[in-house]
Amino acid sequence: QQPVQSPQAVILREGEDAVINCSSSKALYSVHWYRQKHGEAPVFLMILLKGGEQKGHDKISASFNEKKQQSSLYLTASQLSYSGTYFCGTAVFQGAQKLVFGQGTRLTINP
Amino acid sequence: GAVVSQHPSWVICKSGTSVKIECRSLDFQATTMFWYRQFPKQSLMLMATSNEGSKATYEQGVEKDKFLINHASLTLSTLTVTSAHPEDSSFYICSAGGWGGSLESDQPQHFGDGTRLSIL
Repeated sequence: QQPVQSPQAVILREGEDAVINCSSSKALYSVHWYRQKHGEAPVFLMILLKGGEQKGHDKISASFNEKKQQSSLYLTASQLSYSGTYFCGTAVFQGAQKLVFGQGTRLTINP
Repeated sequence: GAVVSQHPSWVICKSGTSVKIECRSLDFQATTMFWYRQFPKQSLMLMATSNEGSKATYEQGVEKDKFLINHASLTLSTLTVTSAHPEDSSFYICSAGGWGGSLESDQPQHFGDGTRLSIL
């Protein structure tokens, strides 16, 4: 079951903040966040595990609420380099362990 | 540096040709690798799970005879698109990581740079 991301797209000016949400109808064991720039492979940002975890580095952080079956990615004081499509992935076991990705959130940062 | 290498980066070929894409884990052994396909402005859709020394596991709707996967060593998986047609044109990406069998693993999946396949 594919996690659902919101919003689908965000346009910001440099320095503004953004929140990207990822929710699932099934229990979440871990949430993976990736950023993909056009024509390139996804780049790993962070993983959050059960336990109400919060993580962050630089101005990008994330939280995980397993009761609500959702995770949020926070980008503060956005930089031009933050532009790209953000995907959340949830680890599931469907015959085998695999990572299922949401539909993505396209983030555009304008000067 | 890159931990997963994918080759080639792009391929343009005629309809009916078979194309092989390689995915290598560079500094770790990967008993499992994953193959994804991504159409423009869409998400990464898992095609199959490549298992070292055994048959690949294909997702529903993916033709196993069309997309042949071989995982002959702990560092190499190959995807062969057989008799490719224009509708097979897409961005194919592999991933590998240090999952230890737990859904709560904190080990990420690392992606190759992807292969852009264009069938004329």
